[in-house]
Amino acid sequence: DGGITQSPKYLFRKEGQNVTLSCEQNLNHDAMYWYRQDPGQGLRLIYYSQIVNDFQKGDIAEGYSVSREKKESFPLTVTSAQKNPTAFYLCASSMVQGVHTGELFFGEGSRLTVL
Amino acid sequence: QQPVQSPQAVILREGEDAVINCSSSKALYSVHWYRQKHGEAPVFLMILLKGGEQKGHDKISASFNEKKQQSSLYLTASQLSYSGTYFCGTEITAGNTPLVFGKGTRLSVIA
Repeated sequence: DGGITQSPKYLFRKEGQNVTLSCEQNLNHDAMYWYRQDPGQGLRLIYYSQIVNDFQKGDIAEGYSVSREKKESFPLTVTSAQKNPTAFYLCASSMVQGVHTGELFFGEGSRLTVL
Repeated sequence: QQPVQSPQAVILREGEDAVINCSSSKALYSVHWYRQKHGEAPVFLMILLKGGEQKGHDKISASFNEKKQQSSLYLTASQLSYSGTYFCGTEITAGNTPLVFGKGTRLSVIA
């Protein structure tokens, strides 16, 4: 079955540590995204990538980093520079089709808690 | 730039109808609608493109008013399974730009 796999589902981190969240898709989608979800805030864009080896910052990129070395993979690193990292993180992918953004397929999410 | 959704929350009894609105301060190129159940990933409902079309499947439909920079989601004869948080995602220019999501509308359907 095609889809997006995020891991880990739950993660606990001590202050000052970097953590990496994994996102893998087998949908052959060109575009991948990372969103952060906080209660009452909706989904806010962290980073996105429309092609391998290229990515752009979203609205809240500070304290995060990404890489896109393979089409299938778009890992997110939450660095110690992120002041308030406790949140639910969602990875998504979509086809690049025509001139409008296609349907987003989301992973199950990763819940990060900083102790 | 974040679209504004209203209402923030609504409680319905089974069989009642609801309307969720999504308004933007900028001209919209497309609007997406997603539903997220508690603890799960958002699931796509539909896309509306510039042109004022209306779409729907089953008892859920949506409209897109270009002039008002607004989209509305209509839920008819609500079922318990409609409960969840509904998000609109907007695209203000062509070119596969990332969606900007509203804060969501929490819908609770009770028996």
